[in-house]
Amino acid sequence: AQSVTQLDSQVPVFEEAPVELRCNYSSSVSVYLFWYVQYPNQGLQLLLKYLSGSTLVKGINGFEAEFNKSQTSFHLRKPSVHISDTAEYFCAIMKTSYDKVIFGPGTSLSVIP
Amino acid sequence: GAVVSQHPSWVICKSGTSVKIECRSLDFQATTMFWYRQFPKQSLMLMATSNEGSKATYEQGVEKDKFLINHASLTLSTLTVTSAHPEDSSFYICSASWTGPGETQYFGPGTRLLVL
Repeated sequence: AQSVTQLDSQVPVFEEAPVELRCNYSSSVSVYLFWYVQYPNQGLQLLLKYLSGSTLVKGINGFEAEFNKSQTSFHLRKPSVHISDTAEYFCAIMKTSYDKVIFGPGTSLSVIP
Repeated sequence: GAVVSQHPSWVICKSGTSVKIECRSLDFQATTMFWYRQFPKQSLMLMATSNEGSKATYEQGVEKDKFLINHASLTLSTLTVTSAHPEDSSFYICSASWTGPGETQYFGPGTRLLVL
């Protein structure tokens, strides 16, 4: 069975400080990896995805993530956060596009002015 | 990137009525679409997989007679919540399967359902 773990349910961070949101996954087969952001009362927005190739993936809004196969991790980072980054962040995996996307429980990022 | 739309974006209905939600892939064809549900402060959970021209596959615990799914064309899937009750109030999000380069799924903007 596949699963996604996001160890931190809430992450408070001061504005302009760096942040790392952790994601670990479990799967017996290779998967695609995603990070989505959800602002209050809105749908999902894709931040970045890893399909293959370079393990460092750059996304929108200054976010990046690094795929680590040995640790089965896909942590999300941003060197300097803004107030507008306050949102819920979901890590997700997918076996193929014909299979369901499995989401982690989410991490609520709160940026403190 | 590809666009998936949902209609309506929000709906309020009385308990006992039925509500239909549409999911459309606007610029590509999707043989497979998915329906997810998100309760407040929770993650997204798959309800069912919708394949064009065949019956939907429901996840364990999802009532197929209550949540009717129709995928009549390669660009449209519908979810009908029959005899809705307050506990069905939730955020419903669909996704469409993109099998071209950069294989992925594209998500719709979601439909917020409130059953009074």
